[in-house]
Amino acid sequence: EADIYQTPRYLVIGTGKKITLECSQTMGHDKMYWYQQDPGMELHLIHYSYGVNSTEKGDLSSESTVSRIRTEHFPLTLESARPSHTSQYLCASSDPTSLKGADTQYFGPGTRLTVL
Amino acid sequence: LAKTTQPISMDSYEGQEVNITCSHNNIATNDYITWYQQFPSQGPRFIIQGYKTKVTNEVASLFIPADRKSSTLSLPRVSLSDTAVYYCLVMDTGRRALTFGSGTRLQVQP
Repeated sequence: EADIYQTPRYLVIGTGKKITLECSQTMGHDKMYWYQQDPGMELHLIHYSYGVNSTEKGDLSSESTVSRIRTEHFPLTLESARPSHTSQYLCASSDPTSLKGADTQYFGPGTRLTVL
Repeated sequence: LAKTTQPISMDSYEGQEVNITCSHNNIATNDYITWYQQFPSQGPRFIIQGYKTKVTNEVASLFIPADRKSSTLSLPRVSLSDTAVYYCLVMDTGRRALTFGSGTRLQVQP
């Protein structure tokens, strides 16, 4: 089993609040990802990181920001939450050096965010 | 951008073998094909990965023809608990990461 953790698992919050979704992994993986997924819909990559001090935007434009100060930690922050941010947020990590041309991602359990 | 195409949905009955085919015409020479399974409200879970010919593990088999432009995930004797979305992925050469498509929604009925 992969050792990747997300907190909180569920969060209900009011509009305008600042929130940080936590993601940590104990596998020493360099690459980490954040996906956004609405119920029954596909996953959208919103941020990823190749390693410490590296952050990149994904396919889906997002008002969130991320940081990567430590290898094991990849938090996602929303400065001012809005109802349109209501979704499930999934964090993943991978070690791309395990196989050239392969990138096996391990996912956390997700955070279900509801903004009222 | 390495793109995959797979059926949107499939239906099956318990005990049947299910084959889900994915096309990836632009797969790069070094890239592997990876399949994930996702249950509602959970993160995707790695099922199987392969480069060519056939790969088998305790969960599934993966068949890849010589031209590698497609692959088939085979689930033997499915049960109700195999009802899930199955994603076929190849490496996004530009960002060196996997890109999830819409997947195949498999519904297994009694």
